[in-house]
Amino acid sequence: EAGVTQFPSHSVIEKGQTVTLRCDPISGHDNLYWYRRVMGKEIKFLLHFVKESKQDESGMPNNRFLAERTGGTYSTLKVQPAELEDSGVYFCASSQRAGVRMTEAFFGQGTRLTVV
Amino acid sequence: ILNVEQSPQSLHVQEGDSTNFTCSFPSSNFYALHWYRWETAKSPEALFVMTLNGDEKKKGRISATLNTKEGYSYLYIKGSQPEDSATYLCAAHNFNKFYFGSGTKLNVKP
Repeated sequence: EAGVTQFPSHSVIEKGQTVTLRCDPISGHDNLYWYRRVMGKEIKFLLHFVKESKQDESGMPNNRFLAERTGGTYSTLKVQPAELEDSGVYFCASSQRAGVRMTEAFFGQGTRLTVV
Repeated sequence: ILNVEQSPQSLHVQEGDSTNFTCSFPSSNFYALHWYRWETAKSPEALFVMTLNGDEKKKGRISATLNTKEGYSYLYIKGSQPEDSATYLCAAHNFNKFYFGSGTKLNVKP
């Protein structure tokens, strides 16, 4: 079974440019999460999809970040325009939804974004 | 919001040493505690999920305990090996999302 995959693995862009990150969750997982780790700091929650709906987007830093999950399958996270402080590793995770009990989340390898 | 803290931030041990580190979290509004092992350039790998006070889990030389009343979990590694070198993350969740600590970076010297 394929795990959570993210694309690209690395991206270096200039300040002001646009970047789109993609996450393909494990097939059948309703929950999809985006997290970000800025250098030397903890992993921070960005948002949570249940199927195609945004369950919680309280962690999105500002309106330069736009996440979508059309059809409830893969998700994209667009940063437009990118700023220097957006640099970090963006992780995607997915989990099943078994009643009200949440199972462990499986992570992708992350996308390392560098804004120069 | 759950404030999850891990200590120490980093740890250097010799091969063969046993070690342990701590994850603390608010005991209220808590559902489960997860431990992940994260090697550089790889995705975090799930180690344990614990929900009940007093839970103990073991996987080879690694074990974990959970105290939900006082809000902490310990991760133990017995007889550390160089391949155990990684960042160990804990995450608490309250049904909706995971809250991560900043991790403990373990370096095991041969």
